Amino acid sequence: AQSVTQPDIHITVSEGASLELRCNYSYGATPYLFWYVQSPGQGLQLLLKYFSGDTLVQGIKGFEAEFKRSQSSFNLRKPSVHWSDAAEYFCAVGARAGGTSYGKLTFGQGTILTVHP
Amino acid sequence: DTGVSQDPRHKITKRGQNVTFRCDPISEHNRLYWYRQTLGQGPEFLTYFQNEAQLEKSRLLSDRFSAERPKGSFSTLEIQRTEQGDSAMYLCASSGSGEGWETQYFGPGTRLLVL
Repeated sequence: AQSVTQPDIHITVSEGASLELRCNYSYGATPYLFWYVQSPGQGLQLLLKYFSGDTLVQGIKGFEAEFKRSQSSFNLRKPSVHWSDAAEYFCAVGARAGGTSYGKLTFGQGTILTVHP
Repeated sequence: DTGVSQDPRHKITKRGQNVTFRCDPISEHNRLYWYRQTLGQGPEFLTYFQNEAQLEKSRLLSDRFSAERPKGSFSTLEIQRTEQGDSAMYLCASSGSGEGWETQYFGPGTRLLVL
């Protein structure tokens, strides 16, 4: 069964500082990997995704993530955080077509990001 | 493209009542998903439709829950005899076919509170 672990429940950074949010996954093959962001009371917005190819993927709002197969990780990074980045961030793994659960996303518990001015 | 819409956005009900939520996916998307998100947790998969066919249901979807997508467009999620444990955010997502089918786009959610 697929699973996702986000070790950090809450992270606080100062505006302008760099950010790294950790994500570890468990999946039997090469997964599809996603990062979503959720503002309070809102739905999920896709930041970026990894399917194959280049292991460093660029997303919206200046975010990037790196897929490391050997570490089963897909950490999200941003070089300089803005106050508007304060939100909750979810890593998710998706099953590939042909599996018994294709299409289904499994999410981590989320990491709440607080940004200090 | 107006995105995924959900109605209502908020619902307060008394224990034992039935509730129904609606999801309108992105118009050309043939795949539709329901998730449930409780406070402090990530979304959990409930069920999946491809066109009008319900292809997968989570064990989280008890007998009190039913979902339909009768014409392969909008979907409804009904909860019968609601319980306080049903209080959560119910999220709908859709995706297309062909290239990019794996990417799900989420609606704003329906927040349910059962008193």
